[in-house]
Amino acid sequence: DSGVTQTPKHLITATGQRVTLRCSPRSGDLSVYWYQQSLDQGLQFLIQYYNGEERAKGNILERFSAQQFPDLHSELNLSSLELGDSALYFCASSERQGIIGTDTQYFGPGTRLTVL
Amino acid sequence: AQKVTQAQTEISVVEKEDVTLDCVYETRDTTYYLFWYKQPPSGELVFLIRRNSFDEQNEISGRYSWNFQKSTSSFNFTITASQVVDSAVYFCALMGNTNAGKSTFGDGTTLTVKP
Repeated sequence: DSGVTQTPKHLITATGQRVTLRCSPRSGDLSVYWYQQSLDQGLQFLIQYYNGEERAKGNILERFSAQQFPDLHSELNLSSLELGDSALYFCASSERQGIIGTDTQYFGPGTRLTVL
Repeated sequence: AQKVTQAQTEISVVEKEDVTLDCVYETRDTTYYLFWYKQPPSGELVFLIRRNSFDEQNEISGRYSWNFQKSTSSFNFTITASQVVDSAVYFCALMGNTNAGKSTFGDGTTLTVKP
C-alpha cells in the first residue's frame, strides 16, 4: 500500500459525459501527478501540481483539467468523453516538487475508466 | 524532446534464470533522472529505483541490479535468479530538469517467469 488513494476504482460512462477522478496523496506529500495508461498510448504523464499550483504539463488534452485543493487532494476532470479516453488513470504523489527528479513518486491503485 | 526505448516487448524465462531488461534513452538535458517501475498483474505501479545522471555507479538491491552507462545512454535492469513473482510489466522512465516533473516512459517490457 503506497498511501495514495484514488476513487472511484472503476468508472463506466458514456461518450460525451463528464467525470471527476479523485486522488488523495500520501500524508505530507505536496506534489500530485496524473498519468494515463492506455493500450494505444502507453503510460503518459498528464500534469503535476505542487501545493495547489500547476508545475508541469504533459500530454493533457484541452478537454481534461485538474486542480489541487488546499487540503492537497487533487481532482482530474475529463469532459466530452470519447471512446479513446478509456484508460487506467494513475495518481502519484511525492514529497516535494520533483525538480531534477529528486523525489520518489508513489502511485495510487488507479481508476479504470471505460467510455461506452 | 525526451524518448525512452524498451526494445524488448516480451521476455519469457524459466525460474532461476537471470534476465536483463534493456532501456535506452534520449534527452538534451544535462541533468536528468532515470527510473524503473514494476507493474504486476494486479495493476499498481511500484517504484524500483531512481538514478541521477551524475551517478554512474551500478546499484544492487537483493536480486535486482542496474547498469547505468551514460556513454551508451542505457540504463539496464537485471534480475538474478528470477522467480515467478517477478512476472510483471517493467517500465523505464526519464525525467529531465527541463519541464521537471514530466516523466517520459518507455512502452514497457512484459516479463514472464515460468516455474
